[in-house]
Amino acid sequence: KAGVTQTPRYLIKTRGQQVTLSCSPISGHRSVSWYQQTPGQGLQFLFEYFSETQRNKGNFPGRFSGRQFSNSRSEMNVSTLELGDSALYLCASSSVGRGDIMNTEAFFGQGTRLTVV
Amino acid sequence: TQLLEQSPQFLSIQEGENLTVYCNSSSVFSSLQWYRQEPGEGPVLLVTVVTGGEVKKLKRLTFQFGDARKDSSLHITAAQPGDTGLYLCAGAVTSGTYKYIFGTGTRLKVLA
Repeated sequence: KAGVTQTPRYLIKTRGQQVTLSCSPISGHRSVSWYQQTPGQGLQFLFEYFSETQRNKGNFPGRFSGRQFSNSRSEMNVSTLELGDSALYLCASSSVGRGDIMNTEAFFGQGTRLTVV
Repeated sequence: TQLLEQSPQFLSIQEGENLTVYCNSSSVFSSLQWYRQEPGEGPVLLVTVVTGGEVKKLKRLTFQFGDARKDSSLHITAAQPGDTGLYLCAGAVTSGTYKYIFGTGTRLKVLA
């Protein structure tokens, strides 16, 4: 079956603009998580959606938001972009139910590389 | 705040050598996963360890979960150039929330 698809793959924006990134999970997966990856900070958890509800949230400012649609596709939005938002944004999907995280495999997309200039 | 520290950060070795990567935390995790990420790709799951003291083998890779479930190690025997990549450990947090905390990563380069 098809893997996790993230669009676009590359994006260049200027400071102050906003951006929307898209993630289509593996068919049947209801959980979608977003991560920011930078050389200095590594992989940091942004938030997770399950059945259209935000279930977990990391320590990012309110400029970072997301949503999930009824077909499990998810979007992430960053408003008022800053230079420090330049990163690889990764989306991961899994089939996990709330109590099953211990053995859950997260399937990652290739990511969207965002450059803020 | 749960943190996962990985060491070493960078490792460059010759083909055929053995190596060990460490993942340490002061927190207890319900389970721990190891991922490998290649340039331009997302991380790919290698293994999940759940029980303290558990050892899992995947061909030349041996994974161990510490008895107290606070640390883990990845040992590669006779490394090959195809093992090159970024190795990430991720601990599962299940108290009050359900998410994975990722380690800082170990970038491995195996030279032919």
